[in-house]
Amino acid sequence: NAGVTQTPKFQVLKTGQSMTLQCAQDMNHEYMSWYRQDPGMGLRLIHYSVGAGITDQGEVPNGYNVSRSTTEDFPLRLLSAAPSQTSVYFCASRIQGALGSPLHFGNGTRLTVT
Amino acid sequence: AQKITQTQPGMFVQEKEAVTLDCTYDTSDPSYGLFWYKQPSSGEMIFLIYQGSYDQQNATEGRYSLNFQKARKSANLVISASQLGDSAMYFCAMRESDNAGNMLTFGGGTRLMVKP
Repeated sequence: NAGVTQTPKFQVLKTGQSMTLQCAQDMNHEYMSWYRQDPGMGLRLIHYSVGAGITDQGEVPNGYNVSRSTTEDFPLRLLSAAPSQTSVYFCASRIQGALGSPLHFGNGTRLTVT
Repeated sequence: AQKITQTQPGMFVQEKEAVTLDCTYDTSDPSYGLFWYKQPSSGEMIFLIYQGSYDQQNATEGRYSLNFQKARKSANLVISASQLGDSAMYFCAMRESDNAGNMLTFGGGTRLMVKP
């Protein structure tokens, strides 16, 4: 099993450009999510999904869109990149419903917006 | 108010010694879970250990144990017999049962450096 796969690993954008961060998991997890990691702030939830066709906002959703057309894929779209979106982005999935089920993370995407 | 607080931005420990990484949390939900993750310099997030709020015993996983003090709302990670490979960032996180997004709330992290 590959687990959670994110692409690309690195990306540089100019302000105003758009792009999509890809995320796929092969564990048949219903729950998928996107976090961003900024220095000193831990990880913060951007958007999440509890199944195909269902998405919702997390703590810091502004400037990002998501969709969930299949169980496996959960892409994150930056509509018009801003320097404040420079961060490391993690996709994560888990078994839905169990309080103690841990999140399984992808290896992250380091995004720089100039 | 911050839900998860890690007060030690950085710590040193001598190889083979034990180290405790502090984590305090804030919740009014009686049902919650606490997690610790390790992030090495390569960047991936590795799940280490879990403690449920109703668990009677402290969780253990190999060299990792969780010192859970419910009344004090603390969930400290204890690493025994530190190894050079333990040098990393460590994050404490919490999930509350009535959390609409099943969100895992993270602390700011502690950077652990193991000295040879």
